[in-house]
Amino acid sequence: AQSVTQPDIHITVSEGASLELRCNYSYGATPYLFWYVQSPGQGLQLLLKYFSGDTLVQGIKGFEAEFKRSQSSFNLRKPSVHWSDAAEYFCAVTPDYKLSFGAGTTVTVRA
Amino acid sequence: NAGVTQTPKFQVLKTGQSMTLQCAQDMNHEYMSWYRQDPGMGLRLIHYSVGAGITDQGEVPNGYNVSRSTTEDFPLRLLSAAPSQTSVYFCASRGNSEAFFGQGTRLTVV
Repeated sequence: AQSVTQPDIHITVSEGASLELRCNYSYGATPYLFWYVQSPGQGLQLLLKYFSGDTLVQGIKGFEAEFKRSQSSFNLRKPSVHWSDAAEYFCAVTPDYKLSFGAGTTVTVRA
Repeated sequence: NAGVTQTPKFQVLKTGQSMTLQCAQDMNHEYMSWYRQDPGMGLRLIHYSVGAGITDQGEVPNGYNVSRSTTEDFPLRLLSAAPSQTSVYFCASRGNSEAFFGQGTRLTVV
């Protein structure tokens, strides 16, 4: 079955520290890959996407993600976290038009 | 450019009542979809449409109906609301690349 896994339900990070969120997918071929962020009570905002080409993609708000075909992973990173990065993050994949989402990772930022 | 507009933002229903969640997009996208978001489960696909007159079921379609009479609109109908349908609902519209999401409808069924 096709699936998206975000192994970490909750991550707490200190402001200024680095952040990495994991995402693994299970599909027959390389799908399109996305990371979305959701602030409390808000909709989803696209951080970045990967379709093909360079496996390191840059997004908004200082985020980047690296696609690793051999590991079926698309991990999200940020070198230095700001308090405003506290939110829920969703990895999503699509082999066609239908987006499948991971369960999400909640990020807490401590001062 | 409004993007994807969902109404209402909040709704409380009694068990057995019916209602329609509205979704409209102004980007001329063919593909639209409805998701529900529940804690610890991410977003799950309810129904989707690849164009006017064409709809299909997603992962969790039971208890929901949709129709797509125009490219712009994709309403979601609950015919007889149940407490299990308490959730946050998101409509999405997609072109050739990313999906754009509405702000969500928080529905409570009591």
